[in-house]
Amino acid sequence: AQTVTQSQPEMSVQEAETVTLSCTYDTSENNYYLFWYKQPPSRQMILVIRQEAYKQQNATENRFSVNFQKAAKSFSLKISDSQLGDTAMYFCAFAETQGGSEKLVFGKGTKLTVNP
Amino acid sequence: DSGVTQTPKHLITATGQRVTLRCSPRSGDLSVYWYQQSLDQGLQFLIQYYNGEERAKGNILERFSAQQFPDLHSELNLSSLELGDSALYFCASSVSSGLAPYNEQFFGPGTRLTVL
Repeated sequence: AQTVTQSQPEMSVQEAETVTLSCTYDTSENNYYLFWYKQPPSRQMILVIRQEAYKQQNATENRFSVNFQKAAKSFSLKISDSQLGDTAMYFCAFAETQGGSEKLVFGKGTKLTVNP
Repeated sequence: DSGVTQTPKHLITATGQRVTLRCSPRSGDLSVYWYQQSLDQGLQFLIQYYNGEERAKGNILERFSAQQFPDLHSELNLSSLELGDSALYFCASSVSSGLAPYNEQFFGPGTRLTVL
């Protein structure tokens, strides 16, 4: 079974600085997708960034980028120029695409606080 | 706004009772997913329906059941409720057209269930 591990339950960063959230996963599949979701205090699940396993190039979305190391099964999220609105729970998630189901497997989450 | 609606927003009930949570997917989306977010278990996939048929099952208890109706809305039925069933229940939807290797899931705002 696929598992996703986030080893940092909580992190904090100063506004305008850079922070990196860690994630490792375990799978025997070769084709899969990885995601980072943000859950602010409103509880809404918001997709931040996605990475296709077959792509070597790391995904970027504005201030958010990932460091995808397929051999190491590592998928970290870097937030640059942190803003107060980035304060939220961040979940790393995994999806395989075989069998017709695209279910997501989530890590336990990292609570990020951005301090002014 | 993701376009996925869930009702009710909050639900408070007693142990042993039965409740029904409702989800309306985005227009055009054929797949509906149910997830449970609890303090103990984190975010867990429960079940997926695609165009009225069950497609995948996760850690869903036998006391829980779901269905997807011809108009594609879905209901999650929780019976013989226990204190541990208190959680945030998310519905997500995706196109699942089969044309793309992976179709993004869009999450609803969730239903917070409190069992007293």
